[in-house]
Amino acid sequence: AIRMTQSPSSFSASTGDRVTITCRASQGISSYLAWYQQKPGKAPKLLIYAASTLQSGVPSRFSGSGSGTDFTLTISCLQSEDFATYYCQQYYSYPPLTFGGGTKVEIK
Amino acid sequence: EVQLVESGGGLVQPGRSLRLSCAASGFTFDDYAMHWVRQAPGKGLEWVSGISWNSGSIGYADSVKGRFTISRDNAKNSLYLQMNSLRAEDTALYYCAKDLEGATTLSQIDYWGQGTLVTVSS
Repeated sequence: AIRMTQSPSSFSASTGDRVTITCRASQGISSYLAWYQQKPGKAPKLLIYAASTLQSGVPSRFSGSGSGTDFTLTISCLQSEDFATYYCQQYYSYPPLTFGGGTKVEIK
Repeated sequence: EVQLVESGGGLVQPGRSLRLSCAASGFTFDDYAMHWVRQAPGKGLEWVSGISWNSGSIGYADSVKGRFTISRDNAKNSLYLQMNSLRAEDTALYYCAKDLEGATTLSQIDYWGQGTLVTVSS
């Protein structure tokens, strides 16, 4: 199974900050990577797929990049509604589909 | 509007069985692969199983292989997860989820239900 490793696991940031979350795959996955946002008590929400394609309705302050084994999710100007946990997921090789362990973005 | 409504969760003893159901609406059900994803309390997301549109392609996580069976009934717009030989580590919120891309391959998930809680405890 392909292992997905996210870093950091959590961090604090302020509204207006530019933040970057990293996801590394244990082997090359081309661009078969998605990013999700999850808020407490809610189901995850798809933000980005194919590593860099913004899902419909997702604000343009979210962006994704990378290919192969190293990927990043960037929020250009953090808003109050962006404080949440973010997960990456590979769909290059399955079963199983695999998620990263999550990155919690907290208010500083 | 896409809706996925799970049911069937509850408290069950170790070793027993449970069947989860998911009623789908708002899209052409048999045009898409479907998934079950779970989340243990306070933990991350774990993909459990996925099924193509015609049930011709099915996959499981190693942690549930041989114990869980995914199925679908396209005539009823419904997805199921039969869970046998349940263990304490199966305790989680189970989400029904729709694949974004299409019918035959498993990819990313664009819609999720609200989940049904399964608690395995004596």
